[in-house]
Amino acid sequence: ETGVTQSPTHLIKTRGQQVTLRCSSQSGHNTVSWYQQALGQGPQFIFQYYREEENGRGNFPPRFSGLQFPNYSSELNVNALELDDSALYLCASSTGTALNTEAFFGQGTRLTVV
Amino acid sequence: RKEVEQDPGPFNVPEGATVAFNCTYSNSASQSFFWYRQDCRKEPKLLMSVYSSGNEDGRFTAQLNRASQYISLLIRDSKLSDSATYLCVVTTPGSARQLTFGSGTQLTVLP
Repeated sequence: ETGVTQSPTHLIKTRGQQVTLRCSSQSGHNTVSWYQQALGQGPQFIFQYYREEENGRGNFPPRFSGLQFPNYSSELNVNALELDDSALYLCASSTGTALNTEAFFGQGTRLTVV
Repeated sequence: RKEVEQDPGPFNVPEGATVAFNCTYSNSASQSFFWYRQDCRKEPKLLMSVYSSGNEDGRFTAQLNRASQYISLLIRDSKLSDSATYLCVVTTPGSARQLTFGSGTQLTVLP
C-alpha cells in the first residue's frame, strides 16, 4: 500500500461528457502528478501540481485540467471526452519536485469512454 | 522517435533463467533513471533506481551507460512472481519532476 488513493476505481462515460477523477496523496506529500496510460503503453505525463500550483504540463490539450487543494489532494478534470481518452489514469505523489524523489502511485482510475 | 524505447517482448522464460531487458533514451540531459514494475491492471511500483556505477538488489542488477544513453536490467534465477511488465523510466530537468516511461517489456516466467 502506497497511501495514495484514487477514486473512482472504474468509470464509464459517454463521448462528449465531462469527468472528474480524484487523488488523495500520501501523508506529507505536497506534489501530485497525473499520468494517462493507454492499453499496451507506458504512462504519459499529463501535469503536476506543487503546493496548489500547476508546475509543469505534458502534451495534453486544455480540456485536461486539474486542481490541487490545501490538503494536497488533487483532481483531474477532462471535458468533451473522446473515445481515445479511454485509459488508466494514475496519480503519483511525492515530497517536492527533486528528480531523485520517489513518486508513489495510486491504483488508478480506469476510464472507458463509449 | 520515442523518448524512451524498450523491446516490448513478450519474454517467456523458464523458472531459474536469467533474462535481460534493454532500454535507450533520446534526451542526453536526462538525469535520473529507474526501473518500475507493473503487474497486470495494477499501478507501477519502483523496482530500483539506476546509477552510472551499476547497482544490484538481490537478483536484480541495473546498469546505466550515459555515453550510449542505454539502460539495462538483469534478472537472475527468475521466479514465477517476477512475471510482470518492466518499465524503463527517465527524468529530465525542468520545472516538473516528469517521469518519462518506455512502453514496457512484458515478462512471463513459466513453471
